[in-house]
Amino acid sequence: SQQGEEDPQALSIQEGENATMNCSYKTSINNLQWYRQNSGRGLVHLILIRSNEREKHSGRLRVTLDTSKKSSSLLITASRAADTASYFCATDAAQGSARQLTFGSGTQLTVLP
Amino acid sequence: DAGITQSPRHKVTETGTPVTLRCHQTENHRYMYWYRQDPGHGLRLIHYSYGVKDTDKGEVSDGYSVSRSKTEDFLLTLESATSSQTSVYFCAISQGWDSYNEQFFGPGTRLTVL
Repeated sequence: SQQGEEDPQALSIQEGENATMNCSYKTSINNLQWYRQNSGRGLVHLILIRSNEREKHSGRLRVTLDTSKKSSSLLITASRAADTASYFCATDAAQGSARQLTFGSGTQLTVLP
Repeated sequence: DAGITQSPRHKVTETGTPVTLRCHQTENHRYMYWYRQDPGHGLRLIHYSYGVKDTDKGEVSDGYSVSRSKTEDFLLTLESATSSQTSVYFCAISQGWDSYNEQFFGPGTRLTVL
């Protein structure tokens, strides 16, 4: 079963708008990561937030983490057509087999020019 | 891109035939992973390795085996391919020396089992 589930499954916005994607998970985590996947390519790491952090920024990306609600959000500000991709959250569980990530099913973001 | 290559990049095979996919890294990372990606399922872990000859099962390991005889190579074998194994397979690596476990992905192998 998947640890993380993204919402919405698909999102279409105009260039310049902000895009928000959400991720919910089930068990305690060490950290939560966001990845991007362009069509036909491998995943690329975007940002990591540790379980003791509440917010993190990287360029146009802002990630929040609420461990009490077991949820995270990824905000992309001032979106560009090049941001069109699938976005996945991945959790590093606090227990169990070491060094495994469990991925959600992703949000497909389309940024219209 | 991190120094990860996968071969072949595309393969079409028939049900019942053996298939081996190769992942090669030049980063000397300790951890290597094999995932499959199917529509609606995201990425699911098949097997992973935490060192030479040290491997363990992931969420969807049935029908797959792996081997790691060198740090740089991680092989995924389908002993007898089935149509349900038609998928895109990704290899990933991570250093794993701390709790952060950022993973770097290869370009993927698209496998079709007829």
